[in-house]
Amino acid sequence: GQNIDQPTEMTATEGAIVQINCTYQTSGFNGLFWYQQHAGEAPTFLSYNVLDGLEEKGRFSSFLSRSKGYSYLLLKELQMKDSASYLCAVMDSNYQLIWGAGTKLIIKP
Amino acid sequence: GAVVSQHPSWVICKSGTSVKIECRSLDFQATTMFWYRQFPKQSLMLMATSNEGSKATYEQGVEKDKFLINHASLTLSTLTVTSAHPEDSSFYICSASQGLVAELFFGEGSRLTVL
Repeated sequence: GQNIDQPTEMTATEGAIVQINCTYQTSGFNGLFWYQQHAGEAPTFLSYNVLDGLEEKGRFSSFLSRSKGYSYLLLKELQMKDSASYLCAVMDSNYQLIWGAGTKLIIKP
Repeated sequence: GAVVSQHPSWVICKSGTSVKIECRSLDFQATTMFWYRQFPKQSLMLMATSNEGSKATYEQGVEKDKFLINHASLTLSTLTVTSAHPEDSSFYICSASQGLVAELFFGEGSRLTVL
C-alpha cells in the first residue's frame, strides 16, 4: 500500500529552527509537496520537490532524497504565525496525490 | 499566485436538504479540479477528481449519487451534497490545477453543518 508518515505534533520556540520530516512509500513518484494549513482554513502551497536536494524559499526550505523516500521541511526564525499544520503529499505514478496526516506545529514564545 | 474562490464559506442546513458549493478559478483555466473532505483533526480526503466536460472520477467509498460534481467550464466546478445528513457535516475544500504535475491552488473551504 501507499503510505506517508510524518510526526503528529511538534513544539518549537519562537525564533528557533524546526525540521518536520516526511517519509513515503508510494507507487511511483512524480514529486513531493508541502502545504501549510491553519486551523479552519484551506491549505496553502509551500514547496514542490521532484529532484534530490534542497529548495530554499525565504525562511522555509524543503529537502528531498528519492532513494531514501524522505523529505523534510525546515522552518527558520520561527514566528508565532507559523503555528499550523504542515501537510506532506506525494504524487504517485498515476498523478494521484497521496496525503500525509499532517504535523501540528506549536510555537511557544 | 493563482486564486481559487469557493462559495459559500459557511452553510447550515436541515437534514434532507441539498447544498451546492461552487469552486471557481479566478485567473487561470483549471483543467482539473479536486474536491476534498476534511474532518476535524484529520488530513484531507480526496472525494473526486473532475475534468472539464467529462464525468468526475470518484474515490472508493464516495457515493456519486450523493455527491454530485459538475465541471461545466474551465473555471467552475460545483459539488452538490444531496439529501444531506448530520454525518455529512464537514469541511469541504476544492482545489484546481493547470496540469497533471502542477501546483494545486485551494479554495477557502466550505464548512457544512447539517442539523
